[in-house]
Amino acid sequence: GAVVSQHPSRVICKSGTSVKIECRSLDFQATTMFWYRQFPKQSLMLMATSNEGSKATYEQGVEKDKFLINHASLTLSTLTVTSAHPEDSSFYICSATKIQGRGDTQYFGPGTRLTVL
Amino acid sequence: AQTVTQSQPEMSVQEAETVTLSCTYDTSESDYYLFWYKQPPSRQMILVIRQEAYKQQNATENRFSVNFQKAAKSFSLKISDSQLGDAAMYFCAYRSTGNQFYFGTGTSLTVIP
Repeated sequence: GAVVSQHPSRVICKSGTSVKIECRSLDFQATTMFWYRQFPKQSLMLMATSNEGSKATYEQGVEKDKFLINHASLTLSTLTVTSAHPEDSSFYICSATKIQGRGDTQYFGPGTRLTVL
Repeated sequence: AQTVTQSQPEMSVQEAETVTLSCTYDTSESDYYLFWYKQPPSRQMILVIRQEAYKQQNATENRFSVNFQKAAKSFSLKISDSQLGDAAMYFCAYRSTGNQFYFGTGTSLTVIP
């Protein structure tokens, strides 16, 4: 299988500060990565599609200026939560697409728990 | 966006027995993929099984199998010979032609020893 890492695994920050979360595909190149957020006991909600070398595509209702996504290389995408507020506290998960012929597969990172005080 | 519905928030099964988790979806696309993911307490999403919509044959992976009814837009997961390690949240997911994933609300599975 393929491995996707996220850093940090947990972060606590003060309200008004910015937090950067990294998503890396460790043993494959990923032209596309996705960012999700998951509230307790709820499903994963797709936030945005991160494309290497181009602007991210955001789902309806997700603020582009608040959740900045950068996909600088084929193995790294970053999500920056700007001016974080307590309502941004959540579990953030990334996934990366590994191309395997017609049947490409998504591999998920272990998630990052963000707590905004 | 496509919608994925899991109507069973919680399910339980006796160890070694069989359980079926339900999933329905709504789409206008003809070519897509369906998945079942498992999320244990560690929160790591683990792929259980996948089904290509163009394939009529139901996918199987060891103790896990699906009943894919394309016309009915139904995609249920059957777990045979349930084990304690199968206890987790199970999410049904739809992957669109644009590669975006849409998840159902999840089913919490408890395995009773």
